[in-house]
Amino acid sequence: AQSVTQPDIHITVSEGASLELRCNYSYGATPYLFWYVQSPGQGLQLLLKYFSGDTLVQGIKGFEAEFKRSQSSFNLRKPSVHWSDAAEYFCAVGAQGTYKYIFGTGTRLKVLA
Amino acid sequence: EAQVTQNPRYLITVTGKKLTVTCSQNMNHEYMSWYRQDPGLGLRQIYYSMNVEVTDKGDVPEGYKVSRKEKRNFPLILESPSPNQTSLYFCASSLAQVTDTQYFGPGTRLTVL
Repeated sequence: AQSVTQPDIHITVSEGASLELRCNYSYGATPYLFWYVQSPGQGLQLLLKYFSGDTLVQGIKGFEAEFKRSQSSFNLRKPSVHWSDAAEYFCAVGAQGTYKYIFGTGTRLKVLA
Repeated sequence: EAQVTQNPRYLITVTGKKLTVTCSQNMNHEYMSWYRQDPGLGLRQIYYSMNVEVTDKGDVPEGYKVSRKEKRNFPLILESPSPNQTSLYFCASSLAQVTDTQYFGPGTRLTVL
């Protein structure tokens, strides 16, 4: 069965520090992978997505993610965090050949000034 | 402005009283979906629709109904709400494929007493 695991429920970083949010997936075929951000009281916004090709994907707001098939991971990174990045981040898998999505449980990011 | 709208944004109701949460998109998207978000569980897909009159169950469809009579609208119906349906609900739409970007509505916070 497909699943998405985000092992970190909360992460706290200082402004200007680098960030890495972890995502591991379980899926039989090549997955379609997504990272979304949810600011407080808002809906979700797509940061980036991966289907095939270059395993390093660039997204909006300075985020990037790397697909590692051998580790079944799709970790989100940012070299220098801004206070406005404080939000909840969700990793998701889209099932090939269907219209279903599986979301992780989310990682809440806190940014210290 | 391209957007997904949901109404109402907040709703408090009592067990057994039928309710409908509306969702509308103005982007001519074929695909629409409903999710519920619960603490520690992330987003879980309730139902989705690939086009008018075409719907299918997500992971947690019990207690919910949907209909897609027009391309722009995808209402979520709770015919006999129960307290375990207290949650934050999101509607989303995308062009057509699972690889297309999903655009999320602002959410509807439902409390069932």
